[in-house]
Amino acid sequence: DSGVTQTPKHLITATGQRVTLRCSPRSGDLSVYWYQQSLDQGLQFLIQYYNGEERAKGNILERFSAQQFPDLHSELNLSSLELGDSALYFCASSVGGNGGSYNSPLHFGNGTRLTVT
Amino acid sequence: AQSVSQHNHHVILSEAASLELGCNYSYGGTVNLFWYVQYPGQHLQLLLKYFSGDPLVKGIKGFEAEFIKSKFSFNLRKPSVQWSDTAEYFCAVNEGFQKLVFGTGTRLLVSP
Repeated sequence: DSGVTQTPKHLITATGQRVTLRCSPRSGDLSVYWYQQSLDQGLQFLIQYYNGEERAKGNILERFSAQQFPDLHSELNLSSLELGDSALYFCASSVGGNGGSYNSPLHFGNGTRLTVT
Repeated sequence: AQSVSQHNHHVILSEAASLELGCNYSYGGTVNLFWYVQYPGQHLQLLLKYFSGDPLVKGIKGFEAEFIKSKFSFNLRKPSVQWSDTAEYFCAVNEGFQKLVFGTGTRLLVSP
């Protein structure tokens, strides 16, 4: 168990809808990262928050947004959903803002599988 | 921008066969290199990492990887795979304090 909790595990929704994915980081971790895993694109970095503030942005669409709350949990909001948004969305956390560094490894959640029909 | 290439998308092996998964990256500076594994239905877990020092890195479950700077490669190896190694393997790279960039993954199926 990585200590990172993601809910829900599965989500099925229709095109045009909006969904919210939730992530609770490992206890003590200040950074949260969101990744999208699809069959054709692999694991793509979307966005990172550190202690409530946006730290880095990757290939995140304008229809998507995220935030990190004072209790450090994070939510990823996906709106105007399209079929191509169907993917596995992973959250990861790290102690520091430099996830992947020697002293701040990434810990991944089990992901939320989103299916857009 | 950094990129990570994993050329083998699917690999099928029999138990006891040797494994080598390729990973090449594009960045020419000082990099940190990782291999993650995702077992079916589970989260990504760190297999091994390279930051500096001995370019041959030992990881968990008998895996190792060799960093060859001149080839921009960090291939993952295991002398004898087991059925339980069936999983998806991701190579990842970051430069200094930058975010991790992942490869597209290699799905390994080990048949008993």
